[in-house]
Amino acid sequence: AQSVTQLGSHVSVSEGALVLLRCNYSSSVPPYLFWYVQYPNQGLQLLLKYTSAATLVKGINGFEAEFKKSETSFHLTKPSAHMSDAAEYFCAVSGRNFNKFYFGSGTKLNVKP
Amino acid sequence: NAGVMQNPRHLVRRRGQEARLRCSPMKGHSHVYWYRQLPEEGLKFMVYLQKENIIDESGMPKERFSAEFPKEGPSILRIQQVVRGDSAAYFCASSPSTGGDTEAFFGQGTRLTVV
Repeated sequence: AQSVTQLGSHVSVSEGALVLLRCNYSSSVPPYLFWYVQYPNQGLQLLLKYTSAATLVKGINGFEAEFKKSETSFHLTKPSAHMSDAAEYFCAVSGRNFNKFYFGSGTKLNVKP
Repeated sequence: NAGVMQNPRHLVRRRGQEARLRCSPMKGHSHVYWYRQLPEEGLKFMVYLQKENIIDESGMPKERFSAEFPKEGPSILRIQQVVRGDSAAYFCASSPSTGGDTEAFFGQGTRLTVV
């Protein structure tokens, strides 16, 4: 069985501050892990994905995530928040065979000026 | 190359009516997935289709919901006799292949409101 837990439904940071969004997964097989971003009334856009290559994955817009098997985590970070980063972020794990995603409940990021 | 196109973007139905949601995948993509997002929740998998075939419908409610992806034309998610609890955003995604590491591209969603 696969599942994702995102700690913190709302995170607020100041512009220029570190962004850390937490994601822990549960998977009975080696997972594929994804971070998606959703802007208001929009679809989901892929930020980055882990597919069992390098454990530190770099994505778009300066985001990166590190796969830690011992902690079953895949936290998303960005060194310096920008106002345009305000959105909802979803962590997801997929099956090995096809894109059946199991999404976390999402974290809304607020960036204060 | 246009992205995944969903229409309508907003749909209002009265209880008991039918809702038909359409999804045109990206060009060259033959794998389509439907997800439902209830307010304040993450997306939940509903169904995975390949052209003319339902591969996995484990997330579909047993009654009133059906999906198809015909040889020609868009994929359709059909909800019969809608109820208030069906109010949600319905997202379609497509991918060019079936591997679990393949990026899925999402449409902008159809927001269904049942009054």
